[in-house]
Amino acid sequence: EVQLLESGGGLVQPGGSLRLSCAASGFTFSTYAMSWVRQAPGKGLEWVSSISGSGGSTYYAGSVKGRFTISRDNSKNTLYLQLNSLRAEDTAVYYCARGLCSGGTCYIFLFDYWGQGILVTVSS
Amino acid sequence: DIQMTQSPSSLSASVGDRVTITCRASQGISNYLAWYQQKPGKVPKLLIYAASTLQSGVPSRFSGSGSGTDFTLTISSLQPEDVATYYCQKYNSVPEITFGQGTRLEIK
Repeated sequence: EVQLLESGGGLVQPGGSLRLSCAASGFTFSTYAMSWVRQAPGKGLEWVSSISGSGGSTYYAGSVKGRFTISRDNSKNTLYLQLNSLRAEDTAVYYCARGLCSGGTCYIFLFDYWGQGILVTVSS
Repeated sequence: DIQMTQSPSSLSASVGDRVTITCRASQGISNYLAWYQQKPGKVPKLLIYAASTLQSGVPSRFSGSGSGTDFTLTISSLQPEDVATYYCQKYNSVPEITFGQGTRLEIK
């Protein structure tokens, strides 16, 4: 069974930093691209960042580029998101999501399994 | 930037009704369009990708169509468990991986 479990969220002041982790199990982690998608309270979905299975390619939304860093440790089956220079508008539930692989094709930006999400609150 | 606009923002329909949700892209995106379902208090679930390909395990009452700028998600016979917010997503170019604003579906 595919499981994704996020951790590391919490309350942080504007300008502060936080590192989110996503522990994966139930599949061959290194085979799949992984992503972070966030959802502000009562709002819609916003793609944040993605990383290829090997970790060699990374992608960012314009709203977080230069402030957030995605990475992964395939030996630990864990995905990370380093959040720096946080702003109030970064307040959201952050979901870890796996890239879809179907019929021999893998899609970095389609998400077939999602974690339960972790809340990040940026406030003074 | 390419904008994704869903309509309606919310709708109410009766069990058994045929329901259609529309997603319009401000520029053509070929068929790089997916649909997700998010039930209240739950995580999103992928329903359809490549505009019309049903994700494994999704009931056949869900279908998708369209190409270019205009896309639709259709539920052929609405069930109580379909109460959710539905999002379209374009995935044709980075960093513009964009979701629509969502359509909230309720039972009348």
